Amino acid sequence: NAGVTQTPKFQVLKTGQSMTLQCAQDMNHEYMSWYRQDPGMGLRLIHYSVGAGITDQGEVPNGYNVSRSTTEDFPLRLLSAAPSQTSVYFCASRAGGLADTQYFGPGTRLTVL
Amino acid sequence: KNEVEQSPQNLTAQEGEFITINCSYSVGISALHWLQQHPGGGIVSLFMLSSGKKKHGRLIATINIQEKHSSLHITASHPRDSAVYICASFHTGGGADGLTFGKGTHLIIQP
Repeated sequence: NAGVTQTPKFQVLKTGQSMTLQCAQDMNHEYMSWYRQDPGMGLRLIHYSVGAGITDQGEVPNGYNVSRSTTEDFPLRLLSAAPSQTSVYFCASRAGGLADTQYFGPGTRLTVL
Repeated sequence: KNEVEQSPQNLTAQEGEFITINCSYSVGISALHWLQQHPGGGIVSLFMLSSGKKKHGRLIATINIQEKHSSLHITASHPRDSAVYICASFHTGGGADGLTFGKGTHLIIQP
């Protein structure tokens, strides 16, 4: 199993550009989440999904969109990048039990100029 | 709203020392996770526990439900243990996906 994969690993954008961060998992997990990690702060939830076709907002959803057309894939779209979105982004998945182990992707380091 | 506090924020120790990292939370939870993040950035799950104690190699995690407190211990610490350790509590009212994360403890083990 590859686990949770994310692409790209690094990205530099200019303000106003859009892009999609890719996330895929091969463990047939129902739950998938996107987090951002900023210095001095804990991981913060952007969006999450409890299964194909079902998504919902987390703590910091503004400026981001998600979709879940398949169990495997959960892309995160930045609509119009802003410097405040400079961060490290992690995708995670878990089987779906209330407290199942979370599996994290390797992260995407995004810089918005 | 659940809040998760970790202490210390930073810890530097010598190789071989016994390490303790603490995590406290403010509401009743279903489970508590300990995660490890190495300088390369990847995050891995170390433990998930809802009561008592778990051990894996030199790592031991304990939780006291009544006191809303968990500890992560590292015995015979080694420079390869240098990482950020994150605790995260899970409860059905906590965060949209149930998880609330601490800010992490940055551990450096010097040879």
